[in-house]
Amino acid sequence: DAGVIQSPRHEVTEMGQEVTLRCKPISGHNSLFWYRQTMMRGLELLIYFNNNVPIDDSGMPEDRFSAKMPNASFSTLKIQPSEPRDSAVYFCASSPLTSSAGELFFGEGSRLTVL
Amino acid sequence: GDSVTQMEGPVTLSEEAFLTINCTYTATGYPSLFWYVQYPGEGLQLLLKATKADDKGSNKGFEATYRKETTSFHLEKGSVQVSDSAVYFCALISGNTPLVFGKGTRLSVIA
Repeated sequence: DAGVIQSPRHEVTEMGQEVTLRCKPISGHNSLFWYRQTMMRGLELLIYFNNNVPIDDSGMPEDRFSAKMPNASFSTLKIQPSEPRDSAVYFCASSPLTSSAGELFFGEGSRLTVL
Repeated sequence: GDSVTQMEGPVTLSEEAFLTINCTYTATGYPSLFWYVQYPGEGLQLLLKATKADDKGSNKGFEATYRKETTSFHLEKGSVQVSDSAVYFCALISGNTPLVFGKGTRLSVIA
């Protein structure tokens, strides 16, 4: 079975450019999470959705970040405009139950470098 | 709020050595506890879990026991291998809040 699929795996862009990261969760999973991982800050939860509805976006750093989940099989995380401090690995994860389950399935991540 | 504290790394061990990675937690209510592992270049994956006090989670030779009296969930393995080199994350979930992760502990096993 396919796991969580993220694209692109690597992105290098220049400051000020728009970046869109994509995620396809595991079929049948109804919770989706976006995380950011850096050496300095570790793993941070940015936003999560239950049944395509955003539940908590308090981890989104600022208005430059936005996330959508138009349907059960697709989500995007957009950064506009991007800044060098946004450089990180962004992970998408999905879960077959509500967020209380704790058993998340992670994608392989999208490594973003903003020059 | 809920939080997880785990020992800082990196931890470097020789092959076949005994491993302990300490994890303590603070939570309201009765959390479920987890260990996740992240191999180089990959996403996190669930290693083991325990959902109530005195439960022992185990997988791939790793074990952790949910100790309510000491609010701990230490990860152990009797004999590590080079292939165990990874970053290990302790995590908890309580109520309807999302998973709370520790900062991770990097383990390097040398032959």
